[in-house]
Amino acid sequence: AQKVTQAQTEISVVEKEDVTLDCVYETRDTTYYLFWYKQPPSGELVFLIRRNSFDEQNEISGRYSWNFQKSTSSFNFTITASQVVDSAVYFCALSEPSYNNAGNMLTFGGGTRLMVKP
Amino acid sequence: DSGVTQTPKHLITATGQRVTLRCSPRSGDLSVYWYQQSLDQGLQFLIQYYNGEERAKGNILERFSAQQFPDLHSELNLSSLELGDSALYFCASSQGGGFGNTGELFFGEGSRLTVL
Repeated sequence: AQKVTQAQTEISVVEKEDVTLDCVYETRDTTYYLFWYKQPPSGELVFLIRRNSFDEQNEISGRYSWNFQKSTSSFNFTITASQVVDSAVYFCALSEPSYNNAGNMLTFGGGTRLMVKP
Repeated sequence: DSGVTQTPKHLITATGQRVTLRCSPRSGDLSVYWYQQSLDQGLQFLIQYYNGEERAKGNILERFSAQQFPDLHSELNLSSLELGDSALYFCASSQGGGFGNTGELFFGEGSRLTVL
């Protein structure tokens, strides 16, 4: 069975600090997809990134960057120069196929609550 | 705004009752997914439909059922409600349905169900 572990349940930083959220996954599939979602206090889940298992290139989007390492089964997320608006719960997720690859199911980690203090 | 619309946003009901949650996917998306978020279970996948057809099933209770209609909106029916069913129910949508062509999943704001 697939599993996603976010060992950091809660992180507190001061504004402008860099912070890295860890995500470790387990899967037997050779093809899979990894996601990060943000859940701000308002409750909705905001899509941040989707990465497939064959693309190990790191990605940067503004202050956000992602480090995907298949060798360690990790997909870590770094926020540079954090801001108060980054305060939220961040979820890492792993996509697995349903029977016959007809469907798609996400397995979520437990989430990391990030608090950025001014 | 993800483009996925869920109603109602909040719902309070009693044990033993039945409720229906509704979801309209983003324009152009054919797949609809339902997820449950609770304090003890975290975010869990319930079920996926693609163009009206069930494509994937997670740990969805037998008391729960879903369907996707020809206009692509979906409904999640929860019956014989128990206290433990209190949770935030999310709907998500994507363009594709099969594994590998799903694309990005966009989530609605959720329907918060409280069972008293």
